[in-house]
Amino acid sequence: AQSVTQPDIHITVSEGASLELRCNYSYGATPYLFWYVQSPGQGLQLLLKYFSGDTLVQGIKGFEAEFKRSQSSFNLRKPSVHWSDAAEYFCAVATGYSTLTFGKGTMLLVSP
Amino acid sequence: KAGVTQTPRYLIKTRGQQVTLSCSPISGHRSVSWYQQTPGQGLQFLFEYFSETQRNKGNFPGRFSGRQFSNSRSEMNVSTLELGDSALYLCASSTGAQRNEKLFFGSGTQLSVL
Repeated sequence: AQSVTQPDIHITVSEGASLELRCNYSYGATPYLFWYVQSPGQGLQLLLKYFSGDTLVQGIKGFEAEFKRSQSSFNLRKPSVHWSDAAEYFCAVATGYSTLTFGKGTMLLVSP
Repeated sequence: KAGVTQTPRYLIKTRGQQVTLSCSPISGHRSVSWYQQTPGQGLQFLFEYFSETQRNKGNFPGRFSGRQFSNSRSEMNVSTLELGDSALYLCASSTGAQRNEKLFFGSGTQLSVL
């Protein structure tokens, strides 16, 4: 069955430091992968997505992610974190039209 | 362009009652999907409607149902509420034409069951 694993429940990063959030997926076919971000009390906003082509995808707010088929991973990165990046981040795989299976999320805390 | 609108923003109900949540998608979008978010289970897919037809369904009991109207607005109903139904319910809209397309989420309805 399809699934998404985000191994880190919480991550604390100093402002200005680099960030990498891990995501592993299990899916039989070519995956359509997404990263969404959720601020407290808000819905989810798409950061970036991968469905084919270049395995390094660029998103909004300076985020990027790399798809590695051999490792079944789709890790999210940012070279320099800002305090406003503090939020919960969700990795997801599309399992149908408008149907996503999400990971449990990683809460990012940014320290001054 | 207005975003996805969910009403009400907050709801408090007691066990055994039923509740209806509403979602208005972005103009032109024909697909509305619903998700339940809880601290323990995370985000779980409930169902998806496209052009008034349920196209996909998650693994939830029959107490959870939905429908979509001709203007693409959608409602979700939960009957015989249980304490475990307390959650943030999110709806998302899209054109529904491709599996890899972006979903636009509303801010959710926070349901508390007492």
